[in-house]
Amino acid sequence: DAGVIQSPRHEVTEMGQEVTLRCKPISGHDYLFWYRQTMMRGLELLIYFNNNVPIDDSGMPEDRFSAKMPNASFSTLKIQPSEPRDSAVYFCASRETVGEQYFGPGTRLTVT
Amino acid sequence: DAKTTQPTSMDCAEGRAANLPCNHSTISGNEYVYWYRQIHSQGPQYIIHGLKNNETNEMASLIITEDRKSSTLILPHATLRDTAVYYCIVRSSNFGNEKLTFGTGTRLTIIP
Repeated sequence: DAGVIQSPRHEVTEMGQEVTLRCKPISGHDYLFWYRQTMMRGLELLIYFNNNVPIDDSGMPEDRFSAKMPNASFSTLKIQPSEPRDSAVYFCASRETVGEQYFGPGTRLTVT
Repeated sequence: DAKTTQPTSMDCAEGRAANLPCNHSTISGNEYVYWYRQIHSQGPQYIIHGLKNNETNEMASLIITEDRKSSTLILPHATLRDTAVYYCIVRSSNFGNEKLTFGTGTRLTIIP
């Protein structure tokens, strides 16, 4: 298996632009997690899905952030409008019903 | 979930055993101890987890004290590739509690 796939790996955008981050979980995994990592706040869970349904979005910072999982093999995290403080590395992870989380390589987002 | 305390940083000579401690004095009976590591610029990687018995896999050993208030991750023969930030995480096994709360971890540096 190729593991969790994230795209793009790097994104540079200007403040106010819409940003869409993409994730393909490992086939057969029914949990999907979105995390954000910054120097100041460390690694934070934003939202997670089970069987494509959002279960806990309490970590989503504000209404500018939204996440969807239209099917078992694809999820998006969208920021609209983006702000410089959204600059971070965003990780996607997936997991089977029981077991450990497998993380993707991350998307490094820079908002100027 | 119980809070964990880890040293900020540690050094270990290449080829020697690296012993990473973690305190989790408020752990409750249904909470597991998980260890993940994050190599620079990569997503976190699962290492091992346990409830109360010592565990060993191809990567490491996990020693949990009898009172479960602390644990030690052991990398038996550390290599330069083991340089990373190591996170000790306590998580409930209750259904619906799928979060992994990452602290600041221990930055382990393997010295040639």
